[in-house]
Amino acid sequence: GENVEQHPSTLSVQEGDSAVIKCTYSDSASNYFPWYKQELGKRPQLIIDIRSNVGEKKDQRIAVTLNKTAKHFSLHITETQPEDSAVYFCAASRLDTGFQKLVFGTGTRLLVSP
Amino acid sequence: DTGVSQDPRHKITKRGQNVTFRCDPISEHNRLYWYRQTLGQGPEFLTYFQNEAQLEKSRLLSDRFSAERPKGSFSTLEIQRTEQGDSAMYLCASSLGTGGINYGYTFGSGTRLTVV
Repeated sequence: GENVEQHPSTLSVQEGDSAVIKCTYSDSASNYFPWYKQELGKRPQLIIDIRSNVGEKKDQRIAVTLNKTAKHFSLHITETQPEDSAVYFCAASRLDTGFQKLVFGTGTRLLVSP
Repeated sequence: DTGVSQDPRHKITKRGQNVTFRCDPISEHNRLYWYRQTLGQGPEFLTYFQNEAQLEKSRLLSDRFSAERPKGSFSTLEIQRTEQGDSAMYLCASSLGTGGINYGYTFGSGTRLTVV
């Protein structure tokens, strides 16, 4: 089955710096890669996603890149703000199986200091 | 309908007791998922329903676990004879799906189970 690895486990940056979180996946059949933000005690919330037919996607300060050959994808946050502090999870899934089972990474705790 | 609702938010139980959690998905969503999240880890898939049919179960779902979605609306997850290792956040998610297409995949806020 699919296995997703995520690095780093913690990331501390100064406000205004960029943050990069990296994930690798094992199943070449995976074709959908969402990123979730989870604040303490709250639900995971989708912040951006990418499908395997696209190499990069941007949404304001957030971008995701995908390298299908190397089977890795990354989340880039620019101009970080204290409210970006949270745990971020990457996930991998197949969209052709009739349902969407997400396999998550172990998470990255991002701390943005003012 | 503002999202996926889960009840209770917190549950403390003694080892060996049975517990039941409820999930109310977004009303038009036909697909419902249960995940388990332990401290410091990402959510792990447990089971999936399309309407009332339970179509996939993870190996994580031992015989002590059972899930139902009797009318294709709300779902329940029951754990019998709870063990300390069952302590975790149990998350429900729902989506509207046809074939390989899913819309609006949304998580609930979860039920945090503590087994003492």
